[in-house]
Amino acid sequence: QIHLQESGPGLVKPSETLSLTCTVSGVSISPYYWSWIRQPPGKGLEWIGYIYYTGSTNYNPSLKSRVTISVDTSKNQFSLRLSSVTAADTAVYYCARLHSGYEDWFDPWGQGTLVTVSS
Amino acid sequence: DIQMTQSPSSLSASVGDRLTITCRASQSISSNLNWYQQKPGKAPKLLIYAASSLQSGVPSRFSGSGSGTDFTLTISSLQPEDFATYYCQQSYSTLPFTFGPGTKVDFK
Repeated sequence: QIHLQESGPGLVKPSETLSLTCTVSGVSISPYYWSWIRQPPGKGLEWIGYIYYTGSTNYNPSLKSRVTISVDTSKNQFSLRLSSVTAADTAVYYCARLHSGYEDWFDPWGQGTLVTVSS
Repeated sequence: DIQMTQSPSSLSASVGDRLTITCRASQSISSNLNWYQQKPGKAPKLLIYAASSLQSGVPSRFSGSGSGTDFTLTISSLQPEDFATYYCQQSYSTLPFTFGPGTKVDFK
């Protein structure tokens, strides 16, 4: 059974960099696509970006200038860095596997981790 | 970006009711449409992919239909565990993937 677990600081100061890691178990991170999605409290879902196990990435244009997603196949992990954060980046951050082919969908998802941006 | 809308934004229903939730895309997305269920404090769960394919393990009371710009999620007989928020998501354009605003289903 595939399991994804997000980890990282729950509190980040404004203007600093948010860093999260998703640890994948039950399946090799190769040869799949992996994604980050976030959800501000009480609001809807926003796709952040995805990475292929080779390291190829694709980001949401609205966040592209601040986002970096990387992968570590030796640890079966992938990571998110979001720079210059503001209160608007406060959200639950989810990692998920992106099923990519003629049709694309996200499944499964991690449980999510709340990151609050505050001084 | 492809904009997704859902209607209604919320609804009240009873166990046993038949429900239909609508999702509309701002342009044609073929059948590149997925549905997710999210319960409070939990991650979204995939229900339907490619507009009408039922994800493994999802009860058959859930079904999806549509193509182009208009899609529906139907729950044939609402069960207590189905009270949740439902999101549609388009995958026709990956720049970016976009979700609908959600439809909250609660007890009447």
